[in-house]
Amino acid sequence: DAGVIQSPRHEVTEMGQEVTLRCKPISGHDYLFWYRQTMMRGLELLIYFNNNVPIDDSGMPEDRFSAKMPNASFSTLKIQPSEPRDSAVYFCASSLRGSGSYSPLHFGNGTRLTVT
Amino acid sequence: SQQGEEDPQALSIQEGENATMNCSYKTSINNLQWYRQNSGRGLVHLILIRSNEREKHSGRLRVTLDTSKKSSSLLITASRAADTASYFCATRGGAGSYQLTFGKGTKLSVIP
Repeated sequence: DAGVIQSPRHEVTEMGQEVTLRCKPISGHDYLFWYRQTMMRGLELLIYFNNNVPIDDSGMPEDRFSAKMPNASFSTLKIQPSEPRDSAVYFCASSLRGSGSYSPLHFGNGTRLTVT
Repeated sequence: SQQGEEDPQALSIQEGENATMNCSYKTSINNLQWYRQNSGRGLVHLILIRSNEREKHSGRLRVTLDTSKKSSSLLITASRAADTASYFCATRGGAGSYQLTFGKGTKLSVIP
């Protein structure tokens, strides 16, 4: 299995630009999570989906952030317009409901976003 | 908000020594998990302990859980240079809860 695939690995953009991060979960997994990691705040859950439906987006910082999951094999996280404080590493993770709340998360290698 | 808090924030040991990391959390949990993160990579699941378990082993890893103290520890025995990484505890709430809340991690350096 290829694991969770994220693209791009690095993104450098200017303030005000739109940024789109992409994620392909592990085939067959029915939960998908977007996390953000910074030195100051650690790992923060932004949003998670079950069977392509957003379940909890309370961690999304503000309206500039949006996430979609049009099908079981693809999700995007969009920031529009981007700001320097959005600079962080964004992780996508997936899990299989089969073991219920005991399911581990499988993480991608993240997208390092730098907004100048 | 952070649920788990790891202690210490950083730990440096010699190869062959044991490494112990601690995690404290605030609310009741369904299970607690430990993850490892190598530099520039995503987190990798190591071990899960359920709220009704007190100790669990996996290879060189030993995890304990004390729900009365809301704390857990991860012991890595006979450490290797390849164990150099950050280690995070993560907690999951009650039944039906699928969110994992992570601490800020312990950065472990194993010196060859």
